[in-house]
Amino acid sequence: GQNIDQPTEMTATEGAIVQINCTYQTSGFNGLFWYQQHAGEAPTFLSYNVLDGLEEKGRFSSFLSRSKGYSYLLLKELQMKDSASYLCAVRDNQAGTALIFGKGTTLSVSS
Amino acid sequence: DAGVTQSPTHLIKTRGQQVTLRCSPKSGHDTVSWYQQALGQGPQFIFQYYEEEERQRGNFPDRFSGHQFPNYSSELNVNALLLGDSALYLCASSLEGLAGRSSYNEQFFGPGTRLTVL
Repeated sequence: GQNIDQPTEMTATEGAIVQINCTYQTSGFNGLFWYQQHAGEAPTFLSYNVLDGLEEKGRFSSFLSRSKGYSYLLLKELQMKDSASYLCAVRDNQAGTALIFGKGTTLSVSS
Repeated sequence: DAGVTQSPTHLIKTRGQQVTLRCSPKSGHDTVSWYQQALGQGPQFIFQYYEEEERQRGNFPDRFSGHQFPNYSSELNVNALLLGDSALYLCASSLEGLAGRSSYNEQFFGPGTRLTVL
């Protein structure tokens, strides 16, 4: 089966850096996604990792270690609008291209 | 270019009733996946449709069924509604056909349908 763990809540202040961790267990890993979801809205794609290493995209970066079953999302220069839920999702070969999501991490950014 | 659209936005039903939710994929996409998101939880995969057939299915009972039409739009049907079916139902589309397949088949989500079962 699959299991994905991420912290339930995190808080940070404007301008700071925050790292949201995600650990996963899958039998046939085939990629990891990070999505952002504002309250009452659809999830929006942030990043994708399938090979080990860091992927950088503006203020957001995502890291993957397949041997450790571990990923993190790094958000720099935090803004109030970054307050949202951040969802870690993995793709498993046994599930085709379906995404298996964690419960999400609610990030609150204060001034 | 319209993104993924879903209807209705909100729906209130009573236990035992049946409901149909609709989804139109992003222009050019051929695959539709449905997810259920309970309050405070991450989305859970229900099933995926490609070429008008159910290709993958998550751990949901047969009360949950779907359909994909030739224009790639899709419906999710839930029979014999239970209180626990109250959730946000998300539709996601992607391009997974042989032509134009992206390296990671990013899924684009619609705004969802909020279903409340009383």
